[in-house]
Amino acid sequence: GESVGLHLPTLSVQEGDNSIINCAYSNSASDYFIWYKQESGKGPQFIIDIRSNMDKRQGQRVTVLLNKTVKHLSLQIAATQPGDSAVYFCAENPARLYNFNKFYFGSGTKLNVKP
Amino acid sequence: NAGVTQTPKFRILKIGQSMTLQCTQDMNHNYMYWYRQDPGMGLKLIYYSVGAGITDKGEVPNGYNVSRSTTEDFPLRLELAAPSQTSVYFCASTRQGETEKLFFGSGTQLSVL
Repeated sequence: GESVGLHLPTLSVQEGDNSIINCAYSNSASDYFIWYKQESGKGPQFIIDIRSNMDKRQGQRVTVLLNKTVKHLSLQIAATQPGDSAVYFCAENPARLYNFNKFYFGSGTKLNVKP
Repeated sequence: NAGVTQTPKFRILKIGQSMTLQCTQDMNHNYMYWYRQDPGMGLKLIYYSVGAGITDKGEVPNGYNVSRSTTEDFPLRLELAAPSQTSVYFCASTRQGETEKLFFGSGTQLSVL
């Protein structure tokens, strides 16, 4: 089956620094990827998405990079703030292959922002 | 709009008991999903539905059942609770054609003792 994994389970950064969270995926048919943020005790919230016809997409303080050659994507958070402390998940969706939305999630990276 | 609403938020079950986790959404989304999240792990898909009257298995369907009689509601049924079902359960929804972003409920924390 599909496998979406993360390189680092926990990442600690200083407030104001940039954060980079990595994710590897195994299904070469996946053509849509999403990053979610999950705060303690809450459901995941959408951050940013990217389609496989792009290699970079920017949002507000966040950038997602996609490298299809090595099946890797990353989430970059600029000027990390205490409110960014959460678990971050990447999810892949091979929807185009199966003609419906079916998301596969990685195990998550916990981001700790130190004041 | 309330979005995706799950009840209850917490529940403790004894082995062998049954219960239904409720999920309702008011966004007129046709796709709905149930995920479970074990401690320190990602989300695993249990069941999903692409519309009223249509359901299908996800990655980990054993021990669960679902129904989708209306667009709004997608309850998850545990018939014989087992300790392995201790987890946090999330319901999510999305609408095909407009967005592929999932909207999640706040979760149900279930313990089976």
